[in-house]
Amino acid sequence: DIQMTQSPSSLSASVGDRVTITCRASQSISSYLNWYQQKPGKAPKLLIYAASSLQSGVPSRFSGSGSGTDFTLTISSLQPEDFATYYCQQSYSTPCTFGQGTRLEIK
Amino acid sequence: QVQLVQSGAEVKKPGASVKVSCKASGYTFTSYGISWVRQAPGQGLEWMGWISAYNGNTNYAQKLQGRVTMTTDTSTSTAYMELRSLRSDDTAVYYCARARTTGNWFDPWGQGTLVTVSS
Repeated sequence: DIQMTQSPSSLSASVGDRVTITCRASQSISSYLNWYQQKPGKAPKLLIYAASSLQSGVPSRFSGSGSGTDFTLTISSLQPEDFATYYCQQSYSTPCTFGQGTRLEIK
Repeated sequence: QVQLVQSGAEVKKPGASVKVSCKASGYTFTSYGISWVRQAPGQGLEWMGWISAYNGNTNYAQKLQGRVTMTTDTSTSTAYMELRSLRSDDTAVYYCARARTTGNWFDPWGQGTLVTVSS
């Protein structure tokens, strides 16, 4: 199975900050990398698919980049509603696997 | 709008089975598949498997092989996930999510179904 490792596991930031979350795959997954946002008690929500494509309806302050084994999710200017847990997921091979999550908290 | 609505919470005893439903609306059901993902309390996300709503082909996570069955009913645009021989570590929120293929992203997700396994 492909292992996905996110860093950091948690992060404190302020409204307006630029934040970057990293996801590393244990082997090359080309661009088969997706990012989700999950708020407490809610289902995950797709933000970015295929490493860098912004899902319809997602604010443009979210962006993704990378290919191969190293990927990043960037939030250009944090808004209050962005405080949540973020997961990366590889869809290169089954079983598809998720990172352990990055909890983004208010500083 | 595209929507997946899941059945309600369940409480089961160890060794029992549970069947969770996921009703789709707002799109052509047979043009996509459905993946199932679970999340134990306070934990991350675990993919359980995928089923094609077009032809019923399935792809299950190896650790659940033999205990999980995914099916669809195209007449009602509903997907089902049955998990047997329940254990306490199966306690989790179970989500369905639309996915065109196994190598695809998940969007949207159902609201989740809490399954509690307790004696």
